[in-house]
Amino acid sequence: GAVVSQHPSRVICKSGTSVKIECRSLDFQATTMFWYRQFPKQSLMLMATSNEGSKATYEQGVEKDKFLINHASLTLSTLTVTSAHPEDSSFYICSAKPRTGRETQYFGPGTRLLVL
Amino acid sequence: TQLLEQSPQFLSIQEGENLTVYCNSSSVFSSLQWYRQEPGEGPVLLVTVVTGGEVKKLKRLTFQFGDARKDSSLHITAAQPGDTGLYLCAGALRGYALNFGKGTSLLVTP
Repeated sequence: GAVVSQHPSRVICKSGTSVKIECRSLDFQATTMFWYRQFPKQSLMLMATSNEGSKATYEQGVEKDKFLINHASLTLSTLTVTSAHPEDSSFYICSAKPRTGRETQYFGPGTRLLVL
Repeated sequence: TQLLEQSPQFLSIQEGENLTVYCNSSSVFSSLQWYRQEPGEGPVLLVTVVTGGEVKKLKRLTFQFGDARKDSSLHITAAQPGDTGLYLCAGALRGYALNFGKGTSLLVTP
């Protein structure tokens, strides 16, 4: 099956620093990648949709200047949490949709971010 | 706004029991997906249902898509401890971005 990786799997940082999370589709090309955030004991909430070569589309309430998304290639999207604060601590999960017409998305294993 | 309502939110049962999880919406979806997620991991796709009234089976798991494509159910027969996890339903309304239900946390005890 299709594989999506995320790096790092977990990160601890100080308040005010920036953190970059990578999402890669390992064996397929993804024209669209999605970024989700999941707080403890809650479901996944869509943050933004990332299309290769164009600007990301952010969901209402998600600050585009704080959560920078870059989708420079068909296999890589990055999410940078700028000037992270403790309230940004969460589980960040990406998913990737293959170039084929199917609706299926494949999810990465997630990145646990803890901001001290 | 939660487009997909899942119930129950929590379920604790003993090994061997049967259970059903429901996913309901007032919106029509072109497809609904069911995922299972374990703590600290990403969700894993179990099934996609596309056609109204469709029934799909995956070993002891039976998935059904409502005739009007607004609701779905997941039935587990003879639950086992390995079935423990968070079960999520999800549907796409705009493009391919998924809207997730709140999830059903299932605990199966030996």
